[in-house]
Amino acid sequence: AQSVTQLDSHVSVSEGTPVLLRCNYSSSYSPSLFWYVQHPNKGLQLLLKYTSAATLVKGINGFEAEFKKSETSFHLTKPSAHMSDAAEYFCVVSASGGYQKVTFGTGTKLQVIP
Amino acid sequence: NAGVTQTPKFRVLKTGQSMTLLCAQDMNHEYMYWYRQDPGMGLRLIHYSVGEGTTAKGEVPDGYNVSRLKKQNFLLGLESAAPSQTSVYFCASSYSGAPNIQYFGAGTRLSVL
Repeated sequence: AQSVTQLDSHVSVSEGTPVLLRCNYSSSYSPSLFWYVQHPNKGLQLLLKYTSAATLVKGINGFEAEFKKSETSFHLTKPSAHMSDAAEYFCVVSASGGYQKVTFGTGTKLQVIP
Repeated sequence: NAGVTQTPKFRVLKTGQSMTLLCAQDMNHEYMYWYRQDPGMGLRLIHYSVGEGTTAKGEVPDGYNVSRLKKQNFLLGLESAAPSQTSVYFCASSYSGAPNIQYFGAGTRLSVL
């Protein structure tokens, strides 16, 4: 069984300040973890993924995430928010080893204030 | 390179009507998926396919049917639409199964009155 919890449904930051979007997961298998971004009226786009290599993963647009097994967390961060980062972000967990199931979090809407 | 294309983008149905949503991908991916997105619920898997001619049920399959007659196309059908099926539908594809990256279409916004 697996699940993913995004701890905040909405996050609001000022432009130029750090971004932290929190994600906790549970998985019976060694998990793969992803962050996707969805801009308004668009499909989801991959930001970054973790698949058991380096625990600090760098993605597109300056985002990065750190896999912490002891805390079962995969939080998404960015040092300085830009107006174009305003979107909804989804944390996704997927069991490795050939099993097909992919579980999406409920999403975090990021608001960037000018 | 178009990626994943969904048609139509918007549709309004009356209760009891039927329709088919088309998803086409040009990346030669084996796996294709249909999701629905509802506020506060993330994406939920409706059906998926692991290759041409195959389909399987996902998390919320009731009221939907799918077909994968060609590798590049994955059709989602609603035989008798209900208001509970008002949602945004996303198609995705991936080279193989989890944990591979899924590539998403832009979505179909469906309203059932």
